[in-house]
Formats: sequence, C-alpha cells, structure tokens
Amino acid sequence: AQTVTQSQPEMSVQEAETVTLSCTYDTSESDYYLFWYKQPPSRQMILVIRQEAYKQQNATENRFSVNFQKAAKSFSLKISDSQLGDAAMYFCAYRSGFGNEKLTFGTGTRLTIIP
Amino acid sequence: DTEVTQTPKHLVMGMTNKKSLKCEQHMGHRAMYWYKQKAKKPPELMFVYSYEKLSINESVPSRFSPECPNSSLLNLHLHALQPEDSALYLCASSQPLAGRTDTQYFGPGTRLTVL
Repeated sequence: AQTVTQSQPEMSVQEAETVTLSCTYDTSESDYYLFWYKQPPSRQMILVIRQEAYKQQNATENRFSVNFQKAAKSFSLKISDSQLGDAAMYFCAYRSGFGNEKLTFGTGTRLTIIP
Repeated sequence: DTEVTQTPKHLVMGMTNKKSLKCEQHMGHRAMYWYKQKAKKPPELMFVYSYEKLSINESVPSRFSPECPNSSLLNLHLHALQPEDSALYLCASSQPLAGRTDTQYFGPGTRLTVL
C-alpha cells in the first residue's frame, strides 16, 4: 500500500519570503501522480499543482513549484513571494496511474503567513 | 470559482433523521467521489462512481447510501447516523481518460453535525 508522509505539521513564513513544504511517499509502482492541494479556512480543497511520475521536469504554476526527486520518493512544494492568501492547510497526495482512483493524502502542513 | 457545488453548506440532524447531501459538477466529468474529513485530518475516500456506476466502496457503513442519478449529480443519503459521523463531507469529480482518471476537483463541502 502507498503511504504519504508530511513531517512538518506547521510552518510559518514572512510575507514575500519563500517557504518549502516537504512530502515523501512510499510506493512500488512506477506509474503514478502526485498532487499538492491547499485547504484554507473556507474548507475548499483547491488544487495547487500536479506532477506525473514519468515526467522528469518539475511542475510549476506561477509562484508554486515542486522539487520532484523520484529516486528519493520526495515531492516538496516551494512557494515564492508568499502572500497572506497562501495561509492554509497543505496536503500532499498520491494516486496510482491506472485503475486505482483513490487519492492517498498526507497528514497536512498548516502554513501561516506572517505580515 | 468552483465548478463543483454542494448543498447544503451546513446540516444539523438528529440520529433518527433522514437527510441527503447533494453534489453537482458542471465540467462534464464522468467520475465522482465522496470523501469524509474529520477536523485536522486529511480526507478519507468513501465512494467512487465511474460512468454512473459505483466502482469503489471503502467499507462504508450502510447508514451512508450513495446515489448517482446522472453524470453530473451525486447524492449521499444519510439515515440513523451517529455523533461520530459529524464531519466535513467533500464531493469531487474527475475525467476518466484512456483507463486513467485525471485530477480530482473538489466542492466546498457540507459541514454535518449529528446530535
């Protein structure tokens, strides 16, 4: 079974600074997807970024980028120029490439932005 | 703005009540999901519908009964719930593609309280 580990229950960053959230996963599969979702106090789960395991290039979405290290099974999220609206719980998630539609989530990292 | 809507936003019910949660997506997706999320925990998958057929039931108690009337609607019927069923219930949808399923997009959730 796949597992996803987020070792930082809480993180804080000064506004406009950069922060990196850690995620590691365990799988024996070669075909899979990785995601970062954010959940602000409004409770909406919002997709931040996704990465296909077969792609070597790290995904980026504006101020958000990932460092995908497949051999190390690591998938960290970097947020540049942090903004107050980035404050949320961030979940890392894993999904198999074929057949299994289940998302396996990590336990989350609560990110606080300091003005 | 989310393209997955859920009603109601909040629901308070007694243990003998029957109620339903509703989810609608407007993206033409053919896979829909119910998740349960307890406070400060990641979402846990309950059910998956693919092409209007139940494809995954994560051993959910029978007091939760899903229904998929058509490709854009997903209901969760509740009956004889317990106080420990109080949680945030999230709906999500995705598009199956050549044996895979694409990214899951979530609705804003229904906060359920069972008295």
